[in-house]
Amino acid sequence: EADIYQTPRYLVIGTGKKITLECSQTMGHDKMYWYQQDPGMELHLIHYSYGVNSTEKGDLSSESTVSRIRTEHFPLTLESARPSHTSQYLCASSELISGGSYNEQFFGPGTRLTVL
Amino acid sequence: DAKTTQPNSMESNEEEPVHLPCNHSTISGTDYIHWYRQLPSQGPEYVIHGLTSNVNNRMASLAIAEDRKSSTLILHRATLRDAAVYYCILRKIAQKLVFGQGTRLTINP
Repeated sequence: EADIYQTPRYLVIGTGKKITLECSQTMGHDKMYWYQQDPGMELHLIHYSYGVNSTEKGDLSSESTVSRIRTEHFPLTLESARPSHTSQYLCASSELISGGSYNEQFFGPGTRLTVL
Repeated sequence: DAKTTQPNSMESNEEEPVHLPCNHSTISGTDYIHWYRQLPSQGPEYVIHGLTSNVNNRMASLAIAEDRKSSTLILHRATLRDAAVYYCILRKIAQKLVFGQGTRLTINP
């Protein structure tokens, strides 16, 4: 059973508000990821991190930002939410294994964000 | 990057085996074949992965063609809980997962 948590699970918020989506994992994994998924559509990687103080942009451009101050925590922030940010945001983590490759990714349950 | 092709949807009956196909004709020698699935209202979960040989685990079996241009995920005895979108993904070591549209599997009682 994966130990990766996301809060809140659902968030409805007005335009212009600052929001932070929380993601935590208790598995000690080095690598963490944020994906964005619209209903019925593919997942797109928006951010990832190799470890503490490491953050990288993903394949899909996003106005959100991330930070990695602690291994277990990888929050995503939107400074000023807009209706175009309405989507599901999924967090994942994976472990660095010997040989430099990464093991399977464990996903959190997701945060469904609605911006009015 | 090598691409995968999967049927948009498939349907099967409960307690019957399910064979989910995936074509990857441009696969390279260093591409691993990964399968993830996403149950309704949940994040994806890892199912199985392989390189050249067939693989079995508690969730499923992965049959890889000898030329590696296709593979099949086998659910030996489908249950209603297996209804999900199944993603076939090619991935080199240390590379990111790139999700496609996947196959939406419906299980009939």
